[in-house]
Amino acid sequence: KAGVTQTPRYLIKTRGQQVTLSCSPISGHRSVSWYQQTPGQGLQFLFEYFSETQRNKGNFPGRFSGRQFSNSRSEMNVSTLELGDSALYLCASSLDGGGAGEQFFGPGTRLTVL
Amino acid sequence: GIQVEQSPPDLILQEGANSTLRCNFSDSVNNLQWFHQNPWGQLINLFYIPSGTKQNGRLSATTVATERYSLLYISSSQTTDSGVYFCAVGKSYNTDKLIFGTGTRLQVFP
Repeated sequence: KAGVTQTPRYLIKTRGQQVTLSCSPISGHRSVSWYQQTPGQGLQFLFEYFSETQRNKGNFPGRFSGRQFSNSRSEMNVSTLELGDSALYLCASSLDGGGAGEQFFGPGTRLTVL
Repeated sequence: GIQVEQSPPDLILQEGANSTLRCNFSDSVNNLQWFHQNPWGQLINLFYIPSGTKQNGRLSATTVATERYSLLYISSSQTTDSGVYFCAVGKSYNTDKLIFGTGTRLQVFP
């Protein structure tokens, strides 16, 4: 069974631009969560989607948004990019989003904002 | 919110040595996972262990939920064990949100 996939793997953008990242969960998994990893802040929860609904959101500005499609694939969008948005963005999937299930992470998208 | 602390922050070992990594958490949890972050950034699942003990080859883990800590044991370490080890916990049945510790950076030298 294929693992969680993320595209693109690397991205370079300039300040003010917007970006869309994609995450395809493991087949059959219905929950997708997104995390941002930076050297200064560590791994921080962005948001979580289950059955096309955002179920939980971390403490990030409104420039960060996401959605989930009927096939459970998810996208996250960052508008008006800032230098501080440079980070590794990781997504995770779980089978039923019940909170107690094992989660599996994709390889990440490394975003650099110049 | 729940706090997750990992120790030690850094660990330097010679190949063949054993090590113990610790994860303390401040509240009851229903999910606890250990991950190894590879040099390319991917989080590799090591253990899903909200309670009890598990072993996988040279690695084993124990979570004592009542005392709010988990331990990851690495025996006969190899250079390929190098990297950052994260503990992450979840405490609700209504969300998959994981709270991560700050990690333990392990360097194994030949």
